[in-house]
Amino acid sequence: DVKVTQSSRYLVKRTGEKVFLECVQDMDHENMFWYRQDPGLGLRLIYFSYDVKMKEKGDIPEGYSVSREKKERFSLILESASTNQTSMYLCASSLGWEGNQPQHFGDGTRLSIL
Amino acid sequence: TQLLEQSPQFLSIQEGENLTVYCNSSSVFSSLQWYRQEPGEGPVLLVTVVTGGEVKKLKRLTFQFGDARKDSSLHITAAQTGDTGLYLCAGAASGTYKYIFGTGTRLKVLA
Repeated sequence: DVKVTQSSRYLVKRTGEKVFLECVQDMDHENMFWYRQDPGLGLRLIYFSYDVKMKEKGDIPEGYSVSREKKERFSLILESASTNQTSMYLCASSLGWEGNQPQHFGDGTRLSIL
Repeated sequence: TQLLEQSPQFLSIQEGENLTVYCNSSSVFSSLQWYRQEPGEGPVLLVTVVTGGEVKKLKRLTFQFGDARKDSSLHITAAQTGDTGLYLCAGAASGTYKYIFGTGTRLKVLA
């Protein structure tokens, strides 16, 4: 089974801090994704990566950056955390180039910015 | 911007009842996926439909992709308490790695 592991289940940070969320997958998937999930808004794509060192902006990239130095690891960075970035963050990975490939999700990181 | 609207947003039913959840868009998708998410966990894939008009069955769950590939439905027969969760549809446009997620339907099945 594919395993997507997010480094923290819960995280509390202060406004203005630089925050790192880490995600690791163990199935050699090319594609990795970061979403945030908010009530009534569903999952919104922040960034995705289709190869090492390659990244593309999703629908809500403002205030975030990403890093993919190794194929198995995709990091989400909040450059200067703000309270409106309090949310559930989900990482996912998928195999291949077509949209019919399933996405495999981690269990999420619930981030609170105080 | 592509959007996927799900309805209803919330559904509370008794065990044994049937229900249908809808996922609608004005955009065409090359494929559509349904996920279920339980509290404290990430979404888990239930099914992928890729052909217009396609119907797939997974035990008591029936999934249909619209002929024009703009909409989909999920029908649950004789719901059980274990079906409780958040149901999400996700569409992929042709030639893209991106998935657009619906707003979700939160289902609660009461014993």
